[in-house]
Amino acid sequence: DAMVIQNPRYQVTQFGKPVTLSCSQTLNHNVMYWYQQKSSQAPKLLFHYYDKDFNNEADTPDNFQSRRPNTSFCFLDIRSPGLGDAAMYLCATSRDPARGYTFGSGTRLTVV
Amino acid sequence: GQQLNQSPQSMFIQEGEDVSMNCTSSSIFNTWLWYKQDPGEGPVLLIALYKAGELTSNGRLTAQFGITRKDSFLNISASIPSDVGIYFCAGTGKAAGNKLTFGGGTRVLVKP
Repeated sequence: DAMVIQNPRYQVTQFGKPVTLSCSQTLNHNVMYWYQQKSSQAPKLLFHYYDKDFNNEADTPDNFQSRRPNTSFCFLDIRSPGLGDAAMYLCATSRDPARGYTFGSGTRLTVV
Repeated sequence: GQQLNQSPQSMFIQEGEDVSMNCTSSSIFNTWLWYKQDPGEGPVLLIALYKAGELTSNGRLTAQFGITRKDSFLNISASIPSDVGIYFCAGTGKAAGNKLTFGGGTRVLVKP
């Protein structure tokens, strides 16, 4: 089945230790998004790629970076995770944003 | 920026009951989406609405795109225990650059 796959499902990292979360898609969608979701709140958009064009949200901390080496893969890098960065990180893709997004199952990040 | 007001924030259901939730916006949306999120999972698209006045069903779920394009509701008929979860409305509109805006979520719980 075509889908959005996030690895790992659970990630534990140490305070200040860089961590990378990955997302892959078989939908061939040109738009990919990274969201942060805390404590059953609504997902919060961090940034998105329209093809190779990177679009950062104004309030996304510099601590968060992203890479999209090709259409299928997108990575979220957290350079120095703090305790406040513990959250569920969701990847989503879209062919036409006006028609809706497909979400992955998420990676739950714990910072110790 | 655009905001979606979703209500109720939480509700208890008894098996067999019909339940309803809604979202309102201060500005016009071109697309309304309803997602369900189970604990530890990503949001799953339930229903997508693309035209004002559109009424769409998906099994026991029915959703409508308000005529003013500023609201939408979701009904669940004859609820069952697996309907428990968090339901998010979301919308896209030109004013938000076609990025997805989420409501605050409705947490559906089972009556003890």
